[in-house]
Order: sequence, then structure tokens, then C-alpha cells
Amino acid sequence: SQTIHQWPATLVQPVGSPLSLECTVEGTSNPNLYWYRQAAGRGLQLLFYSVGIGQISSEVPQNLSASRPQDRQFILSSKKLLLSDSGFYLCAWSEVTVTFFGQGTRLTVV
Amino acid sequence: GQQVMQIPQYQHVQEGEDFTTYCNSSTTLSNIQWYKQRPGGHPVFLIQLVKSGEVKKQKRLTFQFGEAKKNSSLHITATQTTDVGTYFCAGMNYGGATNKLIFGTGTLLAVQP
Repeated sequence: SQTIHQWPATLVQPVGSPLSLECTVEGTSNPNLYWYRQAAGRGLQLLFYSVGIGQISSEVPQNLSASRPQDRQFILSSKKLLLSDSGFYLCAWSEVTVTFFGQGTRLTVV
Repeated sequence: GQQVMQIPQYQHVQEGEDFTTYCNSSTTLSNIQWYKQRPGGHPVFLIQLVKSGEVKKQKRLTFQFGEAKKNSSLHITATQTTDVGTYFCAGMNYGGATNKLIFGTGTLLAVQP
């Protein structure tokens, strides 16, 4: 069966520090991969999606970037975090239409 | 761009009362999905509706897709404390480089025992 791993679960980072969140999917090939962000008490904002290795589409201009170095690996990065980058980051993958989410990373920028 | 709105944003009910959340898209959808996010958790897929006017039931939950495929609703009969969480609809339009889901704004349900 397919599983999605996302880590770390929580992260506290100072303003200006770099960020790297990693997500891996098991049990499927060539999945569509996504990064979402959810501000406290708010909805899900799609940040990036990828249909294949090295193929990244950005949905909103921001301080973040994404990379897909391997078929089932999706990385969210930032060179310098801002306070406004705080939030709940969710990696997800989809098979045809249904989307499956990772456990999420709660990022607090201080 | 495509927008998916949900109402209400928040609802507080007494245990045993019914609850309904409504989802409206600015464009016609190929399908609509519903997800539930428990407090502190991640969204979990509940169901997908594809056909115009489709109605599906999962125990006390009833999901409906509008005739014009631009709106949907989720109705919970006799709420329980386990129903607490945020319910998101998500609409999809086929086409383009990928099939992106556009999530609704969510409805937070609080159930008082």
C-alpha cells in the first residue's frame, strides 16, 4: 500500500535561517506531488505541485522553493525564513484524483 | 482564477443536532471531493462525487453534488463529538499539466456534548 512520510513534525526556526522539509512517498510510481500551507485556522493554500522529476510549478509568489530530485521525493526549501512563513505545511500526493496528505510539519518562525 | 467557497466558516452545535456545510465553485467542476481534518491533524479523504446530482451516504453523512456541478453539500445527521473538525470540499477541473484540486475555505464544526 502507498504511504507518505513527511518530517519533521514540528520545527522552530529563527528569522533568516534556511529551511528544508522533506517528503517521500512509497508504494507508487510517478505520483503527482504537492506542497500546501495552512495558516492557523485557515484553509489550504497550494504552494507547489510536480508531475515528474525536476518539474515544479509554483502557484503563488513567495519566499519558498521546491525541488523533486527523485520520483518519490519532494523537498520544500527556503534560503531565509520570514515570520510570515510560519504555518502548517502539508505534503500530498495524488493518484488519478484523490489526494493523500502527509502528517504535516508545524513551522514556527521566531 | 477558480475559487471554491464554503459556508459557514464555523458552526457550533449541540450533540445530536444536524449540521450542513455548503460548497460553491466559481466554475463547473469535473468532480468534487470532501476531506475532514481533525484538530491538529491532516486532511483525510472522505468521498468523491462525479455525476451531476449525485448523492452518496456514509453512515450519518450525506454528500450531494449539484445538478450544474458547481456546488455541493455535506450533511451530518445527529452529530457526535467525534464529528469535530474542519470539513473541506475540493473541486477539480480536468485539463492542463496536472489535475489540481482547489480546496474550499473549510467549515470548522464544534460539537458540544
